[in-house]
Amino acid sequence: IQMTQSPSTLSASVGDRVTITCRASQSFSNWLAWYQQKPGKAPNLLIYKASSLEGGVPSRFSGSGSGTEFTLTISSLQPDDFATYYCQQYGSYPWTFGQGTKVEIK
Amino acid sequence: EVQLLESGGGLVQPGGSLRLSCAASGFSFSYYDITWVRQAPGKGLEWVSGISAGGDIIHYADSVKGRFTISRDNSRNTNYLQTSNLRVEDTAVYYCATRNGCNSGVCYGLQYWGQGTLVTVSS
Repeated sequence: IQMTQSPSTLSASVGDRVTITCRASQSFSNWLAWYQQKPGKAPNLLIYKASSLEGGVPSRFSGSGSGTEFTLTISSLQPDDFATYYCQQYGSYPWTFGQGTKVEIK
Repeated sequence: EVQLLESGGGLVQPGGSLRLSCAASGFSFSYYDITWVRQAPGKGLEWVSGISAGGDIIHYADSVKGRFTISRDNSRNTNYLQTSNLRVEDTAVYYCATRNGCNSGVCYGLQYWGQGTLVTVSS
């Protein structure tokens, strides 16, 4: 299953509402995760099962979608949120990641 | 505290081999599946391989199938990724990761990650 994220890069300001989309090449069960990665660090799980918030993750992050289209929304962008975000399907092997969306300061 | 510590990376010539290790602590290792994910310099994440808690179910990405072998030693709380016939395009930081598996019909994403080990394939 191929995962395609859009946009590849996003310029936004603190306080903006940000939405990242992930499209799958075929429909699958909602085993879809979102990760945040900062330079030189390992990824950090934000969302699992498409819309479940991982423990300790701020509530400004939310996930939605089903079938082939999924979204990650940051309701009010904070300075710590400037990073690269990846979606990943883990419903069938081989697991696959999207190519990433870099959120930059506008 | 869950900790994963990768080791074994380094510089190797094309066609060479390396054994990567992932030492686990802070959780009941034998009950957790383990996944390897890699990231080439300046690129995105690529899933490489996964092994079940008992070691009986194994999967590989097509890009490494036949060249990489994943295994685990539950008595040592350690997972291994044996790499062989390495190519320049295998150059990447290799992460091991795990999760709380699938419980009560809910499967988690990769919740715990190591810091990664760099493999550089170059002549």
